[in-house]
Amino acid sequence: EAGVAQSPRYKIIEKRQSVAFWCNPISGHATLYWYQQILGQGPKLLIQFQNNGVVDDSQLPKDRFSAERLKGVDSTLKIQPAKLEDSAVYLCASSLVDRPYSPPYEQYFGPGTRLTVT
Amino acid sequence: GNSVTQMEGPVTLSEEAFLTINCTYTATGYPSLFWYVQYPGEGLQLLLKATKADDKGSNKGFEATYRKETTSFHLEKGSVQVSDSAVYFCALSVTGTASKLTFGTGTRLQVTL
Repeated sequence: EAGVAQSPRYKIIEKRQSVAFWCNPISGHATLYWYQQILGQGPKLLIQFQNNGVVDDSQLPKDRFSAERLKGVDSTLKIQPAKLEDSAVYLCASSLVDRPYSPPYEQYFGPGTRLTVT
Repeated sequence: GNSVTQMEGPVTLSEEAFLTINCTYTATGYPSLFWYVQYPGEGLQLLLKATKADDKGSNKGFEATYRKETTSFHLEKGSVQVSDSAVYFCALSVTGTASKLTFGTGTRLQVTL
């Protein structure tokens, strides 16, 4: 079974430029997550999709970050314009859809995209 | 709100030493608890989990017991190997919150010969 794919693996941009990250989840996983992991910290959820609808984007800086999941499969996360503090690893994860009142399914993580903003 | 507190690293041990990485949590609602591991250059992998009080999760010689009375989920291994060198993250997810994971800051483990 193929895992979660992400690209690019590394990206270096200057501040105020824009950047986009791509994620392809595990086949059949309707739930997709984007996390931001700043060096020395744990991952922080930015946005969660179920199929192509947004479930939670409460921690997404919407003035500069946007995400979409067309057709409920692949997803892109965009930053425009980038700031120095956006330097981080951006992780994509996917899982099956949870059943109500049941413990959550395992999330499977991709290798991440390391973004450096100079 | 939900939060996870882990002991700070790095933790440096000799091979075959006993490992404990402390993790405590606060949660609104009933959480499931997880340990994720991140090996150098790789993505996060689920190491073990426990979904109710007194459950013990185990995998690859690692164990953690869900202690509701002390709100803890400490990770232990009886004899570490050099290949266990990685960053370990404790995390929680509250049932009914669409699986949103809240992570601790991570603990780096370095095992030497």
